[in-house]
Amino acid sequence: QLQLQESGPGLVKPSETLSLTCTVSGGSIDSSSYYWAWIRQPPGKGLEWIGSIYYTGSTYQNPSLESRVTISVDTSKNQFSLKLSSVTAADTAVYYCATGGYNYDSWGQGTLVTVSS
Amino acid sequence: EIVLTQSPGTLSLSPGERATLSCRASQSVSNSYLAWYQQKPGQAPRLLIYGTSSRASGIPGRFSGSGSGTDFTLTISRLEPEDFAVYYCQQYGYSRWTFGQGTKVEIK
Repeated sequence: QLQLQESGPGLVKPSETLSLTCTVSGGSIDSSSYYWAWIRQPPGKGLEWIGSIYYTGSTYQNPSLESRVTISVDTSKNQFSLKLSSVTAADTAVYYCATGGYNYDSWGQGTLVTVSS
Repeated sequence: EIVLTQSPGTLSLSPGERATLSCRASQSVSNSYLAWYQQKPGQAPRLLIYGTSSRASGIPGRFSGSGSGTDFTLTISRLEPEDFAVYYCQQYGYSRWTFGQGTKVEIK
């Protein structure tokens, strides 16, 4: 089974860009018909889909975040990445990377990102 | 965008009891694209059910899913101590994924 691991800064200043990377092991990121996704969970709240990238490179974003989200793939490193611009305190959350078909059967452990000056 | 509404918000039950969780969609969802997850504190969600009624790998038979159109149900036939957690439904449609707000199953 695929293993996923998020990495990136745990603290980001307001108005700056949040950048996270998900490293995939146990399989190749460009050889399977999977969607590679970012999902977040504010403290004490529910899950919110941020966006996904298909192995072909097509991207999909949550309309509420679309203008601030960039998702990309680096096949040479077997990684995919999230950039979220102009962050505010409302973007404080545990960020998960996940993968699957139309649902997510493999998840990273999650990484807490706090937006604060 | 398809909105998923889960009910109840909290379900208070005793071990051994049956749990019935509801997920209602604002528009019709293909049966192929409705899933359920379990999340325990400090852990990532775990896929339980996909395609409305198929159990994911390693999921016990006491978990079952049903429904169609806009109304879907997750049933836990007899609650085990490890089943007390938060449950989320999730759908895919129109190139978007959405989650319900969750149902917490707590020990009565």
